[in-house]
Amino acid sequence: EPEVTQTPSHQVTQMGQEVILRCVPISNHLYFYWYRQILGQKVEFLVSFYNNEISEKSEIFDDQFSVERPDGSNFTLKIRSTKLEDSAMYFCASMLEFNSNQPQHFGDGTRLSIL
Amino acid sequence: SQQGEEDPQALSIQEGENATMNCSYKTSINNLQWYRQNSGRGLVHLILIRSNEREKHSGRLRVTLDTSKKSSSLLITASRAADTASYFCATDPSGSARQLTFGSGTQLTVLP
Repeated sequence: EPEVTQTPSHQVTQMGQEVILRCVPISNHLYFYWYRQILGQKVEFLVSFYNNEISEKSEIFDDQFSVERPDGSNFTLKIRSTKLEDSAMYFCASMLEFNSNQPQHFGDGTRLSIL
Repeated sequence: SQQGEEDPQALSIQEGENATMNCSYKTSINNLQWYRQNSGRGLVHLILIRSNEREKHSGRLRVTLDTSKKSSSLLITASRAADTASYFCATDPSGSARQLTFGSGTQLTVLP
């Protein structure tokens, strides 16, 4: 069964450094999402992306965050200048179509640790 | 506002027993989805129920949805040790870009 894949599985970065998290959504999917889960907390929506632009973003997704689909297969999340509070699991998800019968499929996540 | 709150927070049962988890939410929805998360892993989609459906089955899973009470339940029948995981409901709000709102989850432990 097709899967969403995320790399790396674990990223350790110094505070203030830039980090890029990578995702390869399921190949025929059209809608893409990033979520994060701080340890012990709920999974939170960050951003949705369709047709090469952001559809919606949460308050968490401030100017330090950006997303890109550079080559038609990868979907990346960049954090420009990381903070300690960015430490979390980051999940990428993709969805086939925009109708109420379609689930979102999640990757295994990238654990981001900011030192 | 909080959306998709599960109860109980933790549930411990013996193998072979049934496990029931509940979810409440606040806004109108397109659908409600249940996910499983094994420790340190990603979210695995289990089942989706649309707002115009009342009950849905998939293998040992049964989901109900009551939109008048804004609540859902997930029943796992004949549980197995491998069902041990956290279970989350996620609501897909009406009129949104389909971003999911997750609850805090129920930690299910199935004892062999």
